Amino acid sequence: DQQVKQNSPSLSVQEGRISILNCDYTNSMFDYFLWYKKYPAEGPTFLISISSIKDKNEDGRFTVFLNKSAKHLSLHIVPSQPGDSAVYFCAARAGGGNKLTFGTGTQLKVEL
Amino acid sequence: GAGVSQSPSNKVTEKGKDVELRCDPISGHTALYWYRQSLGQGLEFLIYFQGNSAPDKSGLPSDRFSAERTGGSVSTLTIQRTQQEDSAVYLCASSLSSGGFQPQHFGDGTRLSIL
Repeated sequence: DQQVKQNSPSLSVQEGRISILNCDYTNSMFDYFLWYKKYPAEGPTFLISISSIKDKNEDGRFTVFLNKSAKHLSLHIVPSQPGDSAVYFCAARAGGGNKLTFGTGTQLKVEL
Repeated sequence: GAGVSQSPSNKVTEKGKDVELRCDPISGHTALYWYRQSLGQGLEFLIYFQGNSAPDKSGLPSDRFSAERTGGSVSTLTIQRTQQEDSAVYLCASSLSSGGFQPQHFGDGTRLSIL
């Protein structure tokens, strides 16, 4: 039973354009959502988070949108840069606990 | 360095052997987590330590897996009688106190291969 789903295993975008990574979830108890970025042979790096009481959070080139009614969140990267090429994981935390439930990741490739 | 440190970075062992994986969290972080990532999968929660509280072991896949955290700092994950399905990258993370929301910061992992 996968509670956090990333249905696109890969995404290719041109440098300078917008990258949109999507994530769906099923558990209504999730109170925080996070995005992590992972390069090969390195651990995931925290990017940005959003509380379930908000619908948008922005940090520089990264914006996360949350649609609670659709149980959907997305990460927008504008403008995309070649260094953004990595695997992006969506994760969620259920209220009161601290373990994270992760999606399977989306490989983003930003092409010149 | 200032990040989460894990050792060894790679471990190859024969089926049936025991292995120990080590995690040194960020100084001052009271919460410590173990996850594993099998090929093509997302990260799977294993166990969580918070201060002196009893650990949350709900993610450990079998009784061959155990973990301890000595002195509220370094943690060791032990896998006994390893099986081929234990092959994965084992990742450790730490965070400040879990009061409120604190993001978890990950080490680079230990790649475990069971022959």
